[in-house]
Amino acid sequence: QVQLQESGPGLVKPSETLSLTCSVSGGSISGYYWSWIRQPPGKGLEWIGDIYYRGSANYIPSLKTRVTMSVDTSKNQVSLKLSSVTAADTAIYYCARLEFWSGYPPKNYYLGVWGKGTTVIVSS
Amino acid sequence: QSVLTQPPSVSGAPGQRVTISCTGDSSNIGAGHEIHWYQQLPGTAPKLLIYGFFNRPSGVPDRFSGSKSGTSASLAITGLRAEDEADYYCQSYDSSLSGSRLFGGGTRVTVL
Repeated sequence: QVQLQESGPGLVKPSETLSLTCSVSGGSISGYYWSWIRQPPGKGLEWIGDIYYRGSANYIPSLKTRVTMSVDTSKNQVSLKLSSVTAADTAIYYCARLEFWSGYPPKNYYLGVWGKGTTVIVSS
Repeated sequence: QSVLTQPPSVSGAPGQRVTISCTGDSSNIGAGHEIHWYQQLPGTAPKLLIYGFFNRPSGVPDRFSGSKSGTSASLAITGLRAEDEADYYCQSYDSSLSGSRLFGGGTRVTVL
């Protein structure tokens, strides 16, 4: 059974870069799309972006200039970097696997496996 | 800017039926994109509940069901139980603004 585990610094200073890793166990990252989603305190879910295991990525327009996602197939990890952070980037960050759905394009895939999330606070 | 609109909250007594709506537009549901539903129990990560408007993953009780009407989707919970108290989110894909996945604002279900 595949499991996802997010990790990274819990505290990041304003204007610095947030770096998180999603470690995948019990399965391979190959063949799948992977997503990052965040949830500010007391608020709803916000999709950040997707990355295919081969490296092509798609990001939400509002964060596109600050986000970079990458994959490391040798380590079975997916990474997220968010630059120039502010307090508004304080959130729980989740990684999730998009499930292949036969007969449907990737835009209609669903988030079938989620990590438990990691809390990131942006503060000096 | 396109959105998926959900009511902030719904409530019901144990055993009752509650429904949660998710209203989209021509950029998402109206463009033929699927709706998926997620359940987030307090203090936990979201979990897939329904995919493709109607389909339940294995392990999800049949008390949960999804439907579609025009550019809207609905999630119904029948035989409401205390353990159903959670936040529920719909999610789709949006064809505007270079394409993005999109979540509804979420609905808190309270069991009275």
